Amino acid sequence: EAQVTQNPRYLITVTGKKLTVTCSQNMNHEYMSWYRQDPGLGLRQIYYSMNVEVTDKGDVPEGYKVSRKEKRNFPLILESPSPNQTSLYFCASSLEAFNQPQHFGDGTRLSIL
Amino acid sequence: GENVEQHPSTLSVQEGDSAVIKCTYSDSASNYFPWYKQELGKRPQLIIDIRSNVGEKKDQRIAVTLNKTAKHFSLHITETQPEDSAVYFCAASRNEKLTFGTGTRLTIIP
Repeated sequence: EAQVTQNPRYLITVTGKKLTVTCSQNMNHEYMSWYRQDPGLGLRQIYYSMNVEVTDKGDVPEGYKVSRKEKRNFPLILESPSPNQTSLYFCASSLEAFNQPQHFGDGTRLSIL
Repeated sequence: GENVEQHPSTLSVQEGDSAVIKCTYSDSASNYFPWYKQELGKRPQLIIDIRSNVGEKKDQRIAVTLNKTAKHFSLHITETQPEDSAVYFCAASRNEKLTFGTGTRLTIIP
């Protein structure tokens, strides 16, 4: 089944404790992206990747890192999480470029205490 | 950068009536405009999209119109059904970035 898989689905952690949210797609998509969803703000793009080893900042990249060492994986790293990063995070992928339908994962709800 | 405004933020319609959600964008170079539906607790899913070389696109009860001159696009849902209740997001894309609107919570009243 074609899908985007995120882990974990839920996480409660404390300020300053490094965490990684994994994202994997099995559709051989080139474009991958991370979004955060907050009430009243919609979905905001954090980072995106056009292909392996190619990543760039979205609209809200502060406090986040990403890597794209393999085509299928695009982890989101919070080096020193803070409470303002409490949010619902979605990973998405699309076939070739930005102007293709995005396939979203099921989301990861992060709570930073 | 791109700025997308979406209205209304909430919308209630009687079952069977039509619903219209409107979005405006700021970057005239944006050329791809998708609409996503997000049911409660679920991921966003694409319901329809339109590219800048097309003025209108229809898929059964759903249609999208694009006015490039005015830089706005709209989602039209006809003959609404209870399963249309969800949050709808518009988005605009130029180059590698995709910018979303803030969402419209649509409630269908039986």
